[in-house]
Amino acid sequence: AQSVSQHNHHVILSEAASLELGCNYSYGGTVNLFWYVQYPGQHLQLLLKYFSGDPLVKGIKGFEAEFIKSKFSFNLRKPSVQWSDTAEYFCAVGQNRDDKIIFGKGTRLHILP
Amino acid sequence: GAVVSQHPSRVICKSGTSVKIECRSLDFQATTMFWYRQFPKQSLMLMATSNEGSKATYEQGVEKDKFLINHASLTLSTLTVTSAHPEDSSFYICSARDQTGGTGELFFGEGSRLTVL
Repeated sequence: AQSVSQHNHHVILSEAASLELGCNYSYGGTVNLFWYVQYPGQHLQLLLKYFSGDPLVKGIKGFEAEFIKSKFSFNLRKPSVQWSDTAEYFCAVGQNRDDKIIFGKGTRLHILP
Repeated sequence: GAVVSQHPSRVICKSGTSVKIECRSLDFQATTMFWYRQFPKQSLMLMATSNEGSKATYEQGVEKDKFLINHASLTLSTLTVTSAHPEDSSFYICSARDQTGGTGELFFGEGSRLTVL
């Protein structure tokens, strides 16, 4: 069965620090990979997604993620975080474009002003 | 982006009663919707896939007779928690796939918080 593992449960950073959130998945076939964000009091929103092509994916708000197939990883990065990035971040994986999506446990990010 | 709306956003009910939660795709049609459950400080757990015009597909360990799903139209799926008990208290989130644009992106509702007394 598919599974998604996020290594960091709670991350605290100062503004302008660089961010990297780890995500690993277990599935041997072709996968679609996603990062979702949930700001306080709001619903889930898509940050970025990977279906195929360039493994370095750029999303909204300056976020990017790199798909490394050999490591089964899809880590999320941002070179300089802002206070407004405080939110919970979820990595997710699907088997194909129309399939169900399985979520990781999430990483709560807290940015200090 | 596309909008998915859930109703009600909060509901409190007595133990033993049934509660219905609606999920609507407001500006697109969705042949497939997904129902998730989120416990405090935990991830979203997929409960079932709702298929328009056919039976829902439930994940392992989810009681289909307790969590009734109906997807009667291309814009509406409902989740009914039957004979609710306090352990059913949770945050229920639906999502719908916008298949018309070709991206297959999932859009999420605001969630419905169920409290069973």
